[in-house]
Amino acid sequence: EAGVVQSPRYKIIEKKQPVAFWCNPISGHNTLYWYLQNLGQGPELLIRYENEEAVDDSQLPKDRFSAERLKGVDSTLKIQPAELGDSAVYLCASSLQGDEQYFGPGTRLTVT
Amino acid sequence: GNSVTQMEGPVTLSEEAFLTINCTYTATGYPSLFWYVQYPGEGLQLLLKATKADDKGSNKGFEATYRKETTSFHLEKGSVQVSDSAVYFCALLRANNLFFGTGTRLTVIP
Repeated sequence: EAGVVQSPRYKIIEKKQPVAFWCNPISGHNTLYWYLQNLGQGPELLIRYENEEAVDDSQLPKDRFSAERLKGVDSTLKIQPAELGDSAVYLCASSLQGDEQYFGPGTRLTVT
Repeated sequence: GNSVTQMEGPVTLSEEAFLTINCTYTATGYPSLFWYVQYPGEGLQLLLKATKADDKGSNKGFEATYRKETTSFHLEKGSVQVSDSAVYFCALLRANNLFFGTGTRLTVIP
């Protein structure tokens, strides 16, 4: 069984540029999560989807971050414009009805 | 609120040494508790879990017991190997959301 797939694995951009991350969850998993992991810290939830509905986006900085999960499968997280402080690892995870979460390898973003 | 406090690292042990990584939590109600491991260059992997008080989670020689009276979920292994070198995260699950500790980096030397 394929795990959670994320792309790209690494991204370097200049500040004020836009960036997008893509996630393909495990087949059949209806719940999808985006986490932010700063260096030396644990992951922090940005947004949680159940099917195509964003059920918890309270920690998503909506002035510059947006996310979508069309058709309740793949998801895209976007930052526009990026700031230096956005440099971090962005993790995607999926689960079957809120049970155990399975994580992708993450996208490491560097904003210069 | 919901939060997890982990023993600060880094931790360096010799091969075959005994490992303990402390974890305590604050939560409303009775959360499920997890240990995740992150090997270099990889994503987080679930190591073990416990869903109610006095449950013991175990996997790959690691164990942790859900202690409601001390709100703790300490990770232990009797004999570590070089391949156990990784970052270990304690986490709790409430309302379908995971709350992580800051992680503890373990290095095992031959």
